[in-house]
Amino acid sequence: KQEVTQIPAALSVPEGENLVLNCSFTDSAIYNLQWFRQDPGKGLTSLLLIQSSQREQTSGRLNASLDKSSGRSTLYIAASQPGDSATYLCAIIQGTYKYIFGTGTRLKVLA
Amino acid sequence: DAGVIQSPRHEVTEMGQEVTLRCKPISGHDYLFWYRQTMMRGLELLIYFNNNVPIDDSGMPEDRFSAKMPNASFSTLKIQPSEPRDSAVYFCASMPGWTDTQYFGPGTRLTVL
Repeated sequence: KQEVTQIPAALSVPEGENLVLNCSFTDSAIYNLQWFRQDPGKGLTSLLLIQSSQREQTSGRLNASLDKSSGRSTLYIAASQPGDSATYLCAIIQGTYKYIFGTGTRLKVLA
Repeated sequence: DAGVIQSPRHEVTEMGQEVTLRCKPISGHDYLFWYRQTMMRGLELLIYFNNNVPIDDSGMPEDRFSAKMPNASFSTLKIQPSEPRDSAVYFCASMPGWTDTQYFGPGTRLTVL
């Protein structure tokens, strides 16, 4: 059974700092991996999608990497801003649209 | 487009009552997903539809849960009878057929007393 774990569970950093969020999974037979952002009281917003054949994806200050062999993905946020404060979720996609979500990392960027 | 619309945004009910959650997907999207989010179990996929047809309902916890999609612009998730352990935030998401990006609604916070 696929298990997805995110470490740390919570993170507080000063504005401007570069940071890395981690996602680990137990079964490397994945279709895609996706990172989401969730703001309090709201739904999820897709940030980056990495297909299983890819190693990384970039969007603005965000960079996500995928290492299937080690069962790991990282989300790198450069020059963090208070507006980045949110919960970040990774999701493993197995089979056709079967999403398995991680436990999330609550990020707070202090001004 | 207004995005995915869910109603109600908050629902408080008593144990044993029937609860119906509603979702209007983004127009033109072929897929619709229902999720449940709790502190203990995180975010779980309950069921998803493709072109109004249920494809995978293996995440539906019990027979008390049922979902329908009578047309391309409307779906319901029903719990009958409701129990306190059903308390959670329920999300609906839709996705066009040409991408893997899902668009989430704001969620319905359900509290069963």
